Amino acid sequence: AQSVAQPEDQVNVAEGNPLTVKCTYSVSGNPYLFWYVQYPNRGLQFLLKYITGDNLVKGSYGFEAEFNKSQTSFHLKKPSALVSDSALYFCAVRDIGNYGQNFVFGPGTRLSVLP
Amino acid sequence: DTGVSQNPRHKITKRGQNVTFRCDPISEHNRLYWYRQTLGQGPEFLTYFQNEAQLEKSRLLSDRFSAERPKGSFSTLEIQRTEQGDSAMYLCAHERGINNEQFFGPGTRLTVL
Repeated sequence: AQSVAQPEDQVNVAEGNPLTVKCTYSVSGNPYLFWYVQYPNRGLQFLLKYITGDNLVKGSYGFEAEFNKSQTSFHLKKPSALVSDSALYFCAVRDIGNYGQNFVFGPGTRLSVLP
Repeated sequence: DTGVSQNPRHKITKRGQNVTFRCDPISEHNRLYWYRQTLGQGPEFLTYFQNEAQLEKSRLLSDRFSAERPKGSFSTLEIQRTEQGDSAMYLCAHERGINNEQFFGPGTRLTVL
């Protein structure tokens, strides 16, 4: 069964500084990996995904993520954080070709960008 | 805009009452998912449909929960005899194609008093 770990409940960063939100995963086969962001009282918004190809994936709002197969990680990054990036971030994994319960979300990391 | 709408956005009910939520995805003939999310946690899978067929249900989905997707378009999630532990955000998501991302609606926040 798939699983996702987000080792940090909270990440604090100053505006303008680079940010990293960590994610590690476990799947039996090849993974599809996703990042979502959730603002208060809202549904989840898709940021980016990794399926195949370049290990560095670029997504919405200047975010990018790096897939590292040997470390089973998919960390979310942004070169310069904005106060408006403050939100809850979820990493998710799917085993290629499977649906249903095989789309698994991590517990989330709360990002606070301080002005 | 993800193209997924959910109604109502908020529902407050008394324990023991029945509630029904609705999800309208932007298009038919795709996969539609229901998740439950409690405060500070990631979404937990409840069930999913491929068109009108309900293909999988989580163990979280007790007998008090039922979901339908008539004609492969909108979907409803009903909770009978609500309990305080049912209080959560209920999220609907749809997915097109193969192994693509899911697009989420804004959710229905249920509070059971």
